[in-house]
Amino acid sequence: RKEVEQDPGPFNVPEGATVAFNCTYSNSASQSFFWYRQDCRKEPKLLMSVYSSGNEDGRFTAQLNRASQYISLLIRDSKLSDSATYLCVVTNADYKLSFGAGTTVTVRA
Amino acid sequence: GAGVSQSPSNKVTEKGKDVELRCDPISGHTALYWYRQSLGQGLEFLIYFQGNSAPDKSGLPSDRFSAERTGGSVSTLTIQRTQQEDSAVYLCASSRTPLSLYEQYFGPGTRLTVT
Repeated sequence: RKEVEQDPGPFNVPEGATVAFNCTYSNSASQSFFWYRQDCRKEPKLLMSVYSSGNEDGRFTAQLNRASQYISLLIRDSKLSDSATYLCVVTNADYKLSFGAGTTVTVRA
Repeated sequence: GAGVSQSPSNKVTEKGKDVELRCDPISGHTALYWYRQSLGQGLEFLIYFQGNSAPDKSGLPSDRFSAERTGGSVSTLTIQRTQQEDSAVYLCASSRTPLSLYEQYFGPGTRLTVT
């Protein structure tokens, strides 16, 4: 079983729509959680950390459910510029980041 | 300030040749990471440096892969006797300290094609 699993999508949504997707992780001892964004043929960039109580950053909301071992990302009022692959990232007690394969979101005009 | 830089940006090599990939982390970042991303795949962790030391090399796919870091700064990833399955984008990232609390900043990657 992969350490981090994501629905690859793609999620095709119109501008202004809300889109949400999850990521599951297998290691219950995982400590830190992040969402990264990767544009086509570009390097990943940190979108936001995910805190236990859930957190918002503008139109983006991240949630963590430790009991069910998943994190989620919700994007409100989607913009064309939100089109990207969103990578779920989990860290354990060591130094390694485990990346999911990504969820592709395409926002259409 | 300058971000993470990698060179070359693209490398095409013949099967069986050796290649060397370079990473210049952000100045002052003590932790440095190498990843590999194959087409349509997630990032595969290869190796991590804290200073010049690599505590764990188990992510390296085979003994043809090696990496070093000197002066707590530049790192090189060497692939000997390249195979076609080595074709991928090799990404380097750095962070101020080892993981967990700080974000990793990625370089633009080196796209390696083995023919």
